[in-house]
Amino acid sequence: QVQLVESGGGVVQPGRSLRLSCAASGFSFNSYAMHWVRQAPGKGLEWVAVISYDGSNILYADSVKGRFTISRDNSKNTLNLQMNSLRDEDTAVYYCARDLGRGPPAAVYGMDVWGQGTTVTVSS
Amino acid sequence: DIQMTQSPSSLSASVGDRVTITCRASQSISIYLNWYQQKSGKAPKVLIYAVSSLQSGVPSRFSGSGSGTDFTLTISSLQPEDFATYYCQQSYSTPYTFGQGTKLEIK
Repeated sequence: QVQLVESGGGVVQPGRSLRLSCAASGFSFNSYAMHWVRQAPGKGLEWVAVISYDGSNILYADSVKGRFTISRDNSKNTLNLQMNSLRDEDTAVYYCARDLGRGPPAAVYGMDVWGQGTTVTVSS
Repeated sequence: DIQMTQSPSSLSASVGDRVTITCRASQSISIYLNWYQQKSGKAPKVLIYAVSSLQSGVPSRFSGSGSGTDFTLTISSLQPEDFATYYCQQSYSTPYTFGQGTKLEIK
């Protein structure tokens, strides 16, 4: 079945780094753009980043630009999020999600498959 | 950035009620408006994409409409499993912003 499984979350001190991964299965990973979306405790959803199906187009939210790097390995069906210089406000559940299409520069029509989420806590 | 404003922020309704949630964008977003349902402790689930396209497997009691800046999600007859938080999202331009959410509770 179509599935996304995140891993890599944990507790980390401010200023440190963490790498999240998302393992995809049950579909042609190299045909879809992928997103990271996060949700702070008790808050709404915040879009973080998108990478096109082939990795050629990458876009970030301003809140993470320059600190986070999204990447994908289509040979391993894996999506990654390298998070550097972490801040308290990065504390959240991080979801990976599949785009309905190939992603930018083509139209983006939302996210149809989501992982269960992995929790990142930034605290001293 | 495009701001997405949902109303109401919370709503109490009964099983069988017809419910409408609205979402307003701070600028025109054409057809790039999506709706998600999120239950407590779970990942979001897409209901509607491109304003009115029903995602496969989603019950037909859910429908979407609107254009430009004003959009609505309608649930024609509430079922017990529909009590959740609903988010709109624009995918017209980055950052792909979400509304603040509408929590739908049982009356």
